[in-house]
Amino acid sequence: EAGVVQSPRYKIIEKKQPVAFWCNPISGHNTLYWYLQNLGQGPELLIRYENEEAVDDSQLPKDRFSAERLKGVDSTLKIQPAELGDSAVYLCASSLDGGTTDTQYFGPGTRLTVL
Amino acid sequence: AQSVTQLGSHVSVSEGALVLLRCNYSSSVPPYLFWYVQYPNQGLQLLLKYTTGATLVKGINGFEAEFKKSETSFHLTKPSAHMSDAAEYFCAVSAGGTSYGKLTFGQGTILTVHP
Repeated sequence: EAGVVQSPRYKIIEKKQPVAFWCNPISGHNTLYWYLQNLGQGPELLIRYENEEAVDDSQLPKDRFSAERLKGVDSTLKIQPAELGDSAVYLCASSLDGGTTDTQYFGPGTRLTVL
Repeated sequence: AQSVTQLGSHVSVSEGALVLLRCNYSSSVPPYLFWYVQYPNQGLQLLLKYTTGATLVKGINGFEAEFKKSETSFHLTKPSAHMSDAAEYFCAVSAGGTSYGKLTFGQGTILTVHP
């Protein structure tokens, strides 16, 4: 069974430029998560989708970040414009139904460097 | 609100020695607890989880953890460390209520294994 796929794996951009990350969850998983992981920290939830609906986006900085999950499968996370402080690893995860005991499966992440 | 504290950002052991990684949680509702491992440049992989029932949980790669409600702890142990155990370990809590389906991670503990 294929795991969570993310691309690109690495991205280097200059500040004020836009950037987008793509995630393909495990087949059949209804819930998709985007996490931000700063160096030396644990992942922090940015947004959670149940199928196509964003059910928790309270931690997403909406002035510059946006996300979508068209057709309830793949998802894209965008930053526009990027700032120096956005340098981090962006992790995508998926789970079957998003329940409190449901296992979340993580992709390898996209490491963003903003210069 | 829920939170996780991992005591010790770095733990170093000799190969063959006991591994003990400490995790304390805070939750206003009964918690569900997880341990994840992250190898360099990879996503997080589930080691084990506690949902209900037996408080001693066995996971992959010889790891186990015990849920102690009175101590609000979920420490991770392995009797004999292997070189391949060197990685970063994250404890996480998931609970119901307003945090339904949300994983809150600790800061992580980097485990180093010496020959």
